[in-house]
Amino acid sequence: ETGVTQTPRHLVMGMTNKKSLKCEQHLGHNAMYWYKQSAKKPLELMFVYNFKEQTENNSVPSRFSPECPNSSHLFLHLHTLQPEDSALYLCASSQGGGRANTGELFFGEGSRLTVL
Amino acid sequence: AQSVTQLGSHVSVSEGALVLLRCNYSSSVPPYLFWYVQYPNQGLQLLLKYTTGATLVKGINGFEAEFKKSETSFHLTKPSAHMSDAAEYFCASHNAGNMLTFGGGTRLMVKP
Repeated sequence: ETGVTQTPRHLVMGMTNKKSLKCEQHLGHNAMYWYKQSAKKPLELMFVYNFKEQTENNSVPSRFSPECPNSSHLFLHLHTLQPEDSALYLCASSQGGGRANTGELFFGEGSRLTVL
Repeated sequence: AQSVTQLGSHVSVSEGALVLLRCNYSSSVPPYLFWYVQYPNQGLQLLLKYTTGATLVKGINGFEAEFKKSETSFHLTKPSAHMSDAAEYFCASHNAGNMLTFGGGTRLMVKP
């Protein structure tokens, strides 16, 4: 496989469920990102990991919990979400992390989350 | 702080017509600039980028953009729209030591 792979592509969950989104990159990059894309809103950066260390947390509510066990894998653990958290969650990677990278991000296809 | 403004959240053109998507950035030093495209139910894909050198940058699918420092602009153009160009387009800028900053996006619709 090549590029950035996200699973699942679609997820429906209730407000009391616990679920996780997974992202894997096969590009040898050092940094990984979670973005949230809601209808009629700009892309929102949520978290950045550089060499497995979290370097950015954009005031994201604690019901979203990221995990980066190594430079190739990134998870977003979800619990007690709200309906307004329904969105497309995009994972991205880059060579050079966060503020040190040259700006080019490689995105996965996204996980469409619906919270009922 | 950096900001990126895309004029027009929706642009509609006829098939075969010129495509012009506008992007202006605010930065005290020339940034790196990018255009990404997002097709329905997909992630963002890099169309083209400007880092240094030639100010006219050619990308995939016949798109190009010109960096104009005096106008702080990086507008995206394509001479002749195709139905397959219908998508959302994002302009982004990056300065060393900062995160990539995205514009709000422009949805391009192509009429037959």
